[in-house]
Amino acid sequence: DTAVSQTPKYLVTQMGNDKSIKCEQNLGHDTMYWYKQDSKKFLKIMFSYNNKELIINETVPNRFSPKSPDKAHLNLHINSLELGDSAVYFCASSQRGQELGGYTFGSGTRLTVV
Amino acid sequence: QKEVEQNSGPLSVPEGAIASLNCTYSDRGSQSFFWYRQYSGKSPELIMSIYSNGDKEDGRFTAQLNKASQYVSLLIRDSQPSDSATYLCAAVSGSARQLTFGSGTQLTVLP
Repeated sequence: DTAVSQTPKYLVTQMGNDKSIKCEQNLGHDTMYWYKQDSKKFLKIMFSYNNKELIINETVPNRFSPKSPDKAHLNLHINSLELGDSAVYFCASSQRGQELGGYTFGSGTRLTVV
Repeated sequence: QKEVEQNSGPLSVPEGAIASLNCTYSDRGSQSFFWYRQYSGKSPELIMSIYSNGDKEDGRFTAQLNKASQYVSLLIRDSQPSDSATYLCAAVSGSARQLTFGSGTQLTVLP
């Protein structure tokens, strides 16, 4: 039973296209995140939602727009894709007040922009 | 200055040796620290968490925290080839108390 699931796992698309990545968690957590991992393995937070409310919005281009229809889902829409957007995008979830449990990560979406 | 810094690696150790991974952090308000393991092409997996000064042991893994020096380490005893992975240090920091990661150290255990 997958705890944090992301779709799609792989995404290859052309520059200028618009694409979405979906994330769902069945852990009952109230906080979800999007991280971007570049080719050097550096994991950088992009967004965080707590109970559908945006609480972290790091400096990312406004071509990236997260949406959280409910606390179990956090999607990421990317407009006008650029070559530099190629990376692995990880969704994660956690429960506020239980930080020692860390975050649970999804399996990642490898985005390649050509 | 990065909020969480790790020794750059890569690190190679022979099978059966102790692997030592180090991490420093800049936010003195950080209270919780984590070590994640990430195999190539996979997602990060939590292996240790620590929030009190001193050592915390779990099987072959020992996490060490020194808040005065703002230093966290991970020791892997009796290293196995299956321990070969990238190890990510993370700290809860920032105004929203999010998990901030270091750049990772790639460990290779040689048979």
